Amino acid sequence: AQSVTQPDARVTVSEGASLQLRCKYSYSATPYLFWYVQYPRQGLQMLLKYYSGDPVVQGVNGFEAEFSKSDSSFHLRKASVHWSDSAVYFCAVKWGSALGRLHFGAGTQLIVIP
Amino acid sequence: ETAVFQTPNYHVTQVGNEVSFNCKQTLGHDTMYWYKQDSKKLLKIMFSYNNKQLIVNETVPRRFSPQSSDKAHLNLRIKSVEPEDSAVYLCASSPDWGANYAEQFFGPGTRLTVL
Repeated sequence: AQSVTQPDARVTVSEGASLQLRCKYSYSATPYLFWYVQYPRQGLQMLLKYYSGDPVVQGVNGFEAEFSKSDSSFHLRKASVHWSDSAVYFCAVKWGSALGRLHFGAGTQLIVIP
Repeated sequence: ETAVFQTPNYHVTQVGNEVSFNCKQTLGHDTMYWYKQDSKKLLKIMFSYNNKQLIVNETVPRRFSPQSSDKAHLNLRIKSVEPEDSAVYLCASSPDWGANYAEQFFGPGTRLTVL
């Protein structure tokens, strides 16, 4: 069955430290992959997306993600986090056969300690 | 800059009442969605509309009914709310139903509390 998993419900890092948020999917082909962020009391905003090409994709606010076909993963990274990065981060996928519909992971709550 | 607008921001009501939420997008998109986000932040798609036509209904209880007057507006009515309907309802839009790679733009959400 198709699925998207974010194994870490909560991640706590110190300001200035590097960050990796994990996302794994289960699908027979490469899906369309996205990372969204939700700040408190706001809607979701897209950080970046990937379907093909260079497996490392750059997004907004210094975020990047790396696609791994062998690992079926799309992990989000940032070299140096700021306290304002505290938010919930969602990995999302569109399966090739399900036009338009985004399927979200459970989200990872990022807490950045000043 | 907000381009997907939702009203109201919050709504508190009692079991059995009817509620309506409004959503408007100013992006000129053809496709709009309603998502439900529960207290654990889990997101589930409820409805998808393309050019004011219902495309997908994700096995949502019949008390939920979406309404679209034009492709810029998608409202959600809940007839006779139940406690499990307490959640944040997020509206989103995207340029085209068939564009797999297109970003979805989300509104700030309507938080519903059912007492």
